[in-house]
Amino acid sequence: GAVVSQHPSWVICKSGTSVKIECRSLDFQATTMFWYRQFPKQSLMLMATSNEGSKATYEQGVEKDKFLINHASLTLSTLTVTSAHPEDSSFYICSARNTGTGLGQPQHFGDGTRLSIL
Amino acid sequence: GENVEQHPSTLSVQEGDSAVIKCTYSDSASNYFPWYKQELGKGPQLIIDIRSNVGEKKDQRIAVTLNKTAKHFSLHITETQPEDSAVYFCAAEDTGFQKLVFGTGTRLLVSP
Repeated sequence: GAVVSQHPSWVICKSGTSVKIECRSLDFQATTMFWYRQFPKQSLMLMATSNEGSKATYEQGVEKDKFLINHASLTLSTLTVTSAHPEDSSFYICSARNTGTGLGQPQHFGDGTRLSIL
Repeated sequence: GENVEQHPSTLSVQEGDSAVIKCTYSDSASNYFPWYKQELGKGPQLIIDIRSNVGEKKDQRIAVTLNKTAKHFSLHITETQPEDSAVYFCAAEDTGFQKLVFGTGTRLLVSP
């Protein structure tokens, strides 16, 4: 149980294009989803917290107009990297937390999306 | 806010040996501490977690201990196998913002 699916797993695109990444909880409902960025050999850096039906909360230093997050249902959140540039190349990972359980509940992660901007 | 430190950054053991990874946290209000295993090119996988109302939890070869007074928690892997080789992350839940704060990771290498 507690499977999170992330798509696509790998994307290569030209500078200036926008890229959408999907995160789905397959067997549970997720009130809250999280988006992380991970650089090689480093830890996970939280970008934003996404709550179903409301605006995402972005971490300090993360441009909300650059990284658009939508959490329209209890099983789907999307991250759109707008006008992507080479410095946006990274490994992006989402996670989901079970509905209505508040503090102290597990986050389950997707397998990440490797984004390469040429 | 919460701050988590993790040691060691790398750990090499022989197959069959035990491995211990240690983390400390700063916020005494934190009460949830998960451990994740991340294999190359994949997302983190939850392997075990512990809440502050218990001091130890075990799942087969994996155990986690928590010392709330000292604000540290540890992951113990016994009878290590080559497939245990991965990067392990500890985390603590920031109760104020309900988000996880991760340690810097430990790269575990188990040699046959």
